[in-house]
Amino acid sequence: QKEVEQNSGPLSVPEGAIASLNCTYSDRGSQSFFWYRQYSGKSPELIMFIYSNGDKEDGRFTAQLNKASQYVSLLIRDSQPSDSATYLCAVSNQFYFGTGTSLTVIP
Amino acid sequence: KAGVTQTPRYLIKTRGQQVTLSCSPISGHRSVSWYQQTPGQGLQFLFEYFSETQRNKGNFPGRFSGRQFSNSRSEMNVSTLELGDSALYLCASSLAGSEGMGQYFGPGTRLTVT
Repeated sequence: QKEVEQNSGPLSVPEGAIASLNCTYSDRGSQSFFWYRQYSGKSPELIMFIYSNGDKEDGRFTAQLNKASQYVSLLIRDSQPSDSATYLCAVSNQFYFGTGTSLTVIP
Repeated sequence: KAGVTQTPRYLIKTRGQQVTLSCSPISGHRSVSWYQQTPGQGLQFLFEYFSETQRNKGNFPGRFSGRQFSNSRSEMNVSTLELGDSALYLCASSLAGSEGMGQYFGPGTRLTVT
């Protein structure tokens, strides 16, 4: 079983909609959770991290963590074409990344 | 602060050769991790160095090695290159280590093996 799993997509949403990206993990002892964004041809960029159960908001981004169910999600409100990228999830030591979910926001 | 820098940005090598890639972390960051990224395999962890010591290692063959210097700069070496080593090699730095801290990635070195 992979340590971190993501739906590879592609996920397409219209501009202004909410994009929902999900990630599940296998290690119940994981304490910290990270979301990275990677534009095509660029390197990953850290956008959010979350340590506690519940929601964490940062601008248009909300990370949601449910340790009991072992999933973490990223919501992007008011999606913009500039949000079109691949979103990578990483947990704990961050060495193991999900394969990423490709998001396309359609104008 | 300057970001993570990697040199060279692009490299073309022949099968059987060896290559050394360099990474300079963000000032004050002591942890440097290396990753290989390919379209089919995604982001694969190679190893992590902290205070000049390899602290964690992924599942890559011994042809892949690295080191870290006292100024936290790190190098990665690949010996006896194979066609399958063609990839984007990324290094990432973080403050005190991986657990609980975000990583900041460099632009990567694109290695092509012919």
